[in-house]
Amino acid sequence: GEDVEQSLFLSVREGDSSVINCTYTDSSSTYLYWYKQEPGAGLQLLTYIFSNMDMKQDQRLTVLLNKKDKHLSLRIADTQTGDSAIYFCAESKNRDDKIIFGKGTRLHILP
Amino acid sequence: KAGVTQTPRYLIKTRGQQVTLSCSPISGHRSVSWYQQTPGQGLQFLFEYFSETQRNKGNFPGRFSGRQFSNSRSEMNVSTLELGDSALYLCASSLDGGHANEQFFGPGTRLTVL
Repeated sequence: GEDVEQSLFLSVREGDSSVINCTYTDSSSTYLYWYKQEPGAGLQLLTYIFSNMDMKQDQRLTVLLNKKDKHLSLRIADTQTGDSAIYFCAESKNRDDKIIFGKGTRLHILP
Repeated sequence: KAGVTQTPRYLIKTRGQQVTLSCSPISGHRSVSWYQQTPGQGLQFLFEYFSETQRNKGNFPGRFSGRQFSNSRSEMNVSTLELGDSALYLCASSLDGGHANEQFFGPGTRLTVL
């Protein structure tokens, strides 16, 4: 079946790195995504990775994919107060397939 | 370019009533997807419409239905409302659907069922 799991909460001190982890069950997942949801807003796509990639870096964001373990992580370097949000991991099999989301990890920034 | 708009932003209904939510996609986008977001279940896919046809469907009961018009605007209808239908309903539009790289989300409609 299709399932995406992630921890619900993460607290990080400002300036430290945040690492949000996600596991998925469908080995045929082709696209893996990270979305950010700020209070009162919809979801915003942060980054995505294809299943044939191991890593993708985009400024302060680094995505790591371990396809064998079906594990995806998002690292945010130099975490800022503006990074406080809910982060969703998601996957889909192909271009036209539905997208399955995890329940989201709420990132709390400590001063 | 205007973003995805959803109306109304907030809605209060009572059990047994029905409700219609509206989503206007970004101009030129032909795909509209609907999601239900609750604290307990997270974000769950309801259905996707592309060129006025339902292309993908999630695991929701038949009380949840939708449609898409020729201008790509979409409506979602929930009949015989239950307390558990209280949620944030999000819609997302994309040019030709599927690839989340192209999906843009609206701010959502918060439905409260009393």
